Amino acid sequence: AQSVTQPDIHITVSEGASLELRCNYSYGATPYLFWYVQSPGQGLQLLLKYFSGDTLVQGIKGFEAEFKRSQSSFNLRKPSVHWSDAAEYFCAVGVRNFNKFYFGSGTKLNVKP
Amino acid sequence: NAGVMQNPRHLVRRRGQEARLRCSPMKGHSHVYWYRQLPEEGLKFMVYLQKENIIDESGMPKERFSAEFPKEGPSILRIQQVVRGDSAAYFCASSPPELETQYFGPGTRLLVL
Repeated sequence: AQSVTQPDIHITVSEGASLELRCNYSYGATPYLFWYVQSPGQGLQLLLKYFSGDTLVQGIKGFEAEFKRSQSSFNLRKPSVHWSDAAEYFCAVGVRNFNKFYFGSGTKLNVKP
Repeated sequence: NAGVMQNPRHLVRRRGQEARLRCSPMKGHSHVYWYRQLPEEGLKFMVYLQKENIIDESGMPKERFSAEFPKEGPSILRIQQVVRGDSAAYFCASSPPELETQYFGPGTRLLVL
């Protein structure tokens, strides 16, 4: 069965520090992979997505993610975190027929001044 | 192009009442998905609809819950005889005919007293 694991429930980083949020998935074929961000009380905003091709994808707000097939991972990175990045981040897998997406349980990011 | 719209944004119901949640997809989008987010949890898929058709309702409880996406008008998620455990945020997402990415609305926060 498909599943998405985000092993870190909470992460705190200092403003200006680098960030990496982990995401591992379980899926039999090459998945479609997504990262979304959710601010408190808001909906989900798409940060970036991977379908095929270059395994390093660039997204909005300076985020990037790398697909590693051998590790079944799609980790999200940002070289320098800003206070406005504090939010909850969700990794998602879309299955081939796109009937549904599977979401991880989320990682809450706190940014220290 | 307006984003996915959901209303109401907040809904309070007493146990046993009915809750109706509405979702207007982005212009040109013919696929609608409903998700439920419980406190401190990720999003759980409920149902996937196209115009006048339910494609996948495997995530929706068999009783009390129903969804529709009529030819005209918004998609409706209906919860009959609500119970306290139905309190959650309900998100709608839409995608264009070529599927791929889902775009989320701001959600409806349902509180059952």
